[in-house]
Amino acid sequence: GAGVSQSPSNKVTEKGKDVELRCDPISGHTALYWYRQSLGQGLEFLIYFQGNSAPDKSGLPSDRFSAERTGGSVSTLTIQRTQQEDSAVYLCASSRDYTDTQYFGPGTRLTVL
Amino acid sequence: AQSVTQPDIHITVSEGASLELRCNYSYGATPYLFWYVQSPGQGLQLLLKYFSGDTLVQGIKGFEAEFKRSQSSFNLRKPSVHWSDAAEYFCAVGRRDTGTASKLTFGTGTRLQVTL
Repeated sequence: GAGVSQSPSNKVTEKGKDVELRCDPISGHTALYWYRQSLGQGLEFLIYFQGNSAPDKSGLPSDRFSAERTGGSVSTLTIQRTQQEDSAVYLCASSRDYTDTQYFGPGTRLTVL
Repeated sequence: AQSVTQPDIHITVSEGASLELRCNYSYGATPYLFWYVQSPGQGLQLLLKYFSGDTLVQGIKGFEAEFKRSQSSFNLRKPSVHWSDAAEYFCAVGRRDTGTASKLTFGTGTRLQVTL
């Protein structure tokens, strides 16, 4: 079956602009996760959704970062007023429920100029 | 808070040689344990996982890992490496105390180079 998909695959933006990153989880997966992978910080957890609610937002680095999930499916990660330190690969994962294995998408590479 | 240490940043092995990638974790109880592989420009692919039961787990592509509670380790092994195994390997820990495997904590990764 189809895996986790993310769009766009690459995004180049100017400092100060807002960006939206999209994640389509595996059909039927109720849990969805966002991670960030950067050279200096490695792989960091950002936020976790169970259904449409986010029980754990502890990894969001600042209030410029927000995420939502609608219909228990697609999720959007929004970064407002982007900064150069936001440049990273943003990975999305989904799992059948919060106890199950996480399956990752290919990521969105964000470059902030 | 849990943490994961992968002490080897970069490993080079010859094709056909055996491989062991080290992973040590810090956690107050038995965690959920995972190994993922990432090829250049690709997302993370699950190699294997340990939730409970037999401490030697088999994964895809001929990989196996052994959970050793006394050493807080979950080392990844393969008896004979293929050139296509060249990639970056990540060990990860998930929390068990809240009954979830959410919020994985990853090690910094080990980059494997395979020479022909």
